[in-house]
Amino acid sequence: QQQVKQSPQSLIVQKGGISIINCAYENTAFDYFPWYQQFPGKGPALLIAIRPDVSEKKEGRFTISFNKSAKQFSLHIMDSQPGDSATYFCAASRTSYDKVIFGPGTSLSVIP
Amino acid sequence: KAGVTQTPRYLIKTRGQQVTLSCSPISGHRSVSWYQQTPGQGLQFLFEYFSETQRNKGNFPGRFSGRQFSNSRSEMNVSTLELGDSALYLCASSLGNIQYFGAGTRLSVL
Repeated sequence: QQQVKQSPQSLIVQKGGISIINCAYENTAFDYFPWYQQFPGKGPALLIAIRPDVSEKKEGRFTISFNKSAKQFSLHIMDSQPGDSATYFCAASRTSYDKVIFGPGTSLSVIP
Repeated sequence: KAGVTQTPRYLIKTRGQQVTLSCSPISGHRSVSWYQQTPGQGLQFLFEYFSETQRNKGNFPGRFSGRQFSNSRSEMNVSTLELGDSALYLCASSLGNIQYFGAGTRLSVL
């Protein structure tokens, strides 16, 4: 119930293409869904986040799509660039004071 | 504002030893969480401290412990180290739901 599933484990995309990472959860009490980006040698950094009352959120080339009934959410990276090559983690939490549960991560490589 | 600072960045220990890792949160953040990151297991939640009290705990054995001081700085201790404890240990300070991570401490157990 506390688990967040994430796929694919790794992804290779051509420069300019669309990268799509999918996540699923079971606990309907989750109400905050962030995505984190991690570069080698660095800690994860918040990329974008969404709450269940919104079906889509866009920030620049990054978009989160949220399907509450299916308990799924996904990250789309438009016009992917080599600088986007990193590990991406989806996550979920119940309240501001609850622990954040992370997905296992997706290693994205954007090739020129 | 300075970010989350973790020290040391790298540590090499042998089995059976103990280790203490340190985390200084962003000024004004009262919540500090610790995670273990390994290639096979991703980010595993260890525990969270808020105002010197453990508020949440993950599913790690009692060898893993932590504490938080009145200035919000936190330490994590691992006793009787095992080879499987080799990992990147990340600390995050938070304001509400948003977590800000440090660069981590890379622990190698030989």
